[in-house]
Amino acid sequence: QQKVQQSPESLTVSEGAMASLNCTFSDGTSDNFRWYRQHSGKGLEMLVSIFSDGEKEEGRFTAHLNRASLHVSLHIREPQPSDSAVYLCAVLTGTGGYKVVFGSGTRLLVSP
Amino acid sequence: EAAVTQSPRNKVAVTGGKVTLSCNQTNNHNNMYWYRQDTGHGLRLIHYSYGAGSTEKGDIPDGYKASRPSQENFSLILELATPSQTSVYFCASGTGGAREQYFGPGTRLTVL
Repeated sequence: QQKVQQSPESLTVSEGAMASLNCTFSDGTSDNFRWYRQHSGKGLEMLVSIFSDGEKEEGRFTAHLNRASLHVSLHIREPQPSDSAVYLCAVLTGTGGYKVVFGSGTRLLVSP
Repeated sequence: EAAVTQSPRNKVAVTGGKVTLSCNQTNNHNNMYWYRQDTGHGLRLIHYSYGAGSTEKGDIPDGYKASRPSQENFSLILELATPSQTSVYFCASGTGGAREQYFGPGTRLTVL
């Protein structure tokens, strides 16, 4: 069964500095990896969806996937206080790819 | 943008009572999902559906039933609510293979 773990549990960065979040998974055969953002008390907002090894950029958010290392990361360029939120890594899995397994999240605080 | 709504947004129930959480989507997506979110666990899949009339067990289905009477509606039913089911519940709709998923705003359920 796919296991998804995120690190660190929490992260504080200064406004404008790069923020880097990590996610490891147990089964590299999945073909879709995602990062979501969740502001306090709100729903999930998908930031980046990546299907193949390498890099995928969506605005200030860049995901790096290395399936052989069972690792996907998220880098946030020039983070703002409004980026303070919980960031969730998710991996598509299951027969036919119908299930999505989430990590427990990284809480990011961007200080002014 | 795709729209998923949930009702109620907040619910307080008593132990042993019946609770029904409703989800409606206007995206004409075949797939719908129910997750619960708890601190330290991320989102965990309870039930999902491939289309009207179908329901499938997710990773933590015990104590929950699901109903998909139409393409638009997917309900989560707690026949005998317990305090351990206190959580935030998210509904999502998606395209085939969960390549796209859109989440509702969540329902906060408290079972006393």
